[in-house]
Amino acid sequence: AQSVTQPDARVTVSEGASLQLRCKYSYSATPYLFWYVQYPRQGLQLLLKYYSGDPVVQGVNSFEAEFSKSNSSFHLQKASVHWSDSAVYFCALSMGSNNRIFFGDGTQLVVKP
Amino acid sequence: GPKVLQIPSHQIIDMGQMVTLNCDPVSNHLYFYWYKQILGQQMEFLVNFYNGKVMEKSKLFKDQFSVERPDGSYFTLKIQPTALEDSAVYFCASSSLLGTSAETLYFGSGTRLTVL
Repeated sequence: AQSVTQPDARVTVSEGASLQLRCKYSYSATPYLFWYVQYPRQGLQLLLKYYSGDPVVQGVNSFEAEFSKSNSSFHLQKASVHWSDSAVYFCALSMGSNNRIFFGDGTQLVVKP
Repeated sequence: GPKVLQIPSHQIIDMGQMVTLNCDPVSNHLYFYWYKQILGQQMEFLVNFYNGKVMEKSKLFKDQFSVERPDGSYFTLKIQPTALEDSAVYFCASSSLLGTSAETLYFGSGTRLTVL
C-alpha cells in the first residue's frame, strides 16, 4: 500500500535560516511526488512535483526538493526562509495520471522574525 | 496558475438538513475530486469523478454523499442528511485528462461546513 509520512508536525526556524521539511514515502514503484503549501484559510497550492529525471526539482518561491529512491524520501528545502513562508506544507504521492493523491499529515512551518 | 473556485466559503446548517457544496473546476479539466479535512488533520480523499461517473471512492464517502456535474456546470457534493461528524473543510480539485499535467491536482480554497 502507498503512504506518505511527514515526521515533523511542526518546524520553527528563524527568518533567513535554511529549511528542510522531511518526507518519506512508501510505494512499490516510482510515484509522482508533490509538495503543496496551505496558507491560512486558503486551499492547497502546488509548490513543485517530481516524477523522473533530475532528482532535484525546482519549485516556486525558491523552494526545491530532492528525490532519493534509496531512501524513499522527497525532502523540501529552501536556502533562506522568509516570514511569509509560514504555512502548512503537505507532501503527497500519486500513482499516475488522474489518480487520487495521498497526503502526509502536513508540517506546520513557523518562521520567527 | 489554474484556478478552482468553491462556493460558498463557509456554510452553517442544522444536523439532518441537506447541503450542496459547489465547485467550479479549471475550465478544460475533466477529472474532479473531493477531499475532506477536519481541523488540524490530514487531507483525506473522498471521491473522484469522470465522464459523469464516480471512478473511485473512499470509505469516508458515506451513502449520504453524492456527486454530480449536471450539464458541465458546477461539480457538486451533496450531503443528505448531514451529521455532526460531517463538519470539516471540503476541498474540490480537478485535473486535466491528458498531457504532462494529468497527474497534478489543482485545489480550490475549500468550503468550511459547520453542522450544528
